[in-house]
Amino acid sequence: DTEVTQTPKHLVMGMTNKKSLKCEQHMGHRAMYWYKQKAKKPPELMFVYSYEKLSINESVPSRFSPECPNSSLLNLHLHALQPEDSALYLCASSQDKGDRVGNEQFFGPGTRLTVL
Amino acid sequence: GDSVTQMEGPVTLSEEAFLTINCTYTATGYPSLFWYVQYPGEGLQLLLKATKADDKGSNKGFEATYRKETTSFHLEKGSVQVSDSAVYFCALSPDILSGGSYIPTFGRGTSLIVHP
Repeated sequence: DTEVTQTPKHLVMGMTNKKSLKCEQHMGHRAMYWYKQKAKKPPELMFVYSYEKLSINESVPSRFSPECPNSSLLNLHLHALQPEDSALYLCASSQDKGDRVGNEQFFGPGTRLTVL
Repeated sequence: GDSVTQMEGPVTLSEEAFLTINCTYTATGYPSLFWYVQYPGEGLQLLLKATKADDKGSNKGFEATYRKETTSFHLEKGSVQVSDSAVYFCALSPDILSGGSYIPTFGRGTSLIVHP
């Protein structure tokens, strides 16, 4: 199984709502990532989990809260978002073997988020 | 810090034309280099990769060679198809043993439009 799945595919929420994005992989990868992608732009890294511990937080506002319940699952909890947070949210995973170089990332299809 | 520079798009070609998308990078040591492709409405997919100097990555008729002397990883295809229309991202994964971080770096992306 070389797939990263994400749910939901689409999400529309108001600025006072609380919602969660989910990501799952069963490739045994120990590094998992959240990215935000605006139209016609490259993905922007938000968070990195390595061995279920948050290792990188790229100065993301606290209205985004990541969680890694186990090695296969990654969540992104959303609360009090702003319209400018509307974007495609991508999850990715990669092996983390402690090699000299990093490894390729496997991306999910993304969640298209619209904040009204 | 690490950076990836890609040619600006869109690149517009007729079917069966030759494709080159330029990519150059700045990084310490020997990073891994990747080309990802993103079709409309989807996440990113790994197209090909190279992990050391002079390596050639290839997949689906696309090729790219890791040139350490020119710090380049240009993407080529001899004969493009309409189905190749997508956004192509050049990316690098840092050389951790040379002091790089775990944060991958993406280029801006180059949109390819192929007409019948």
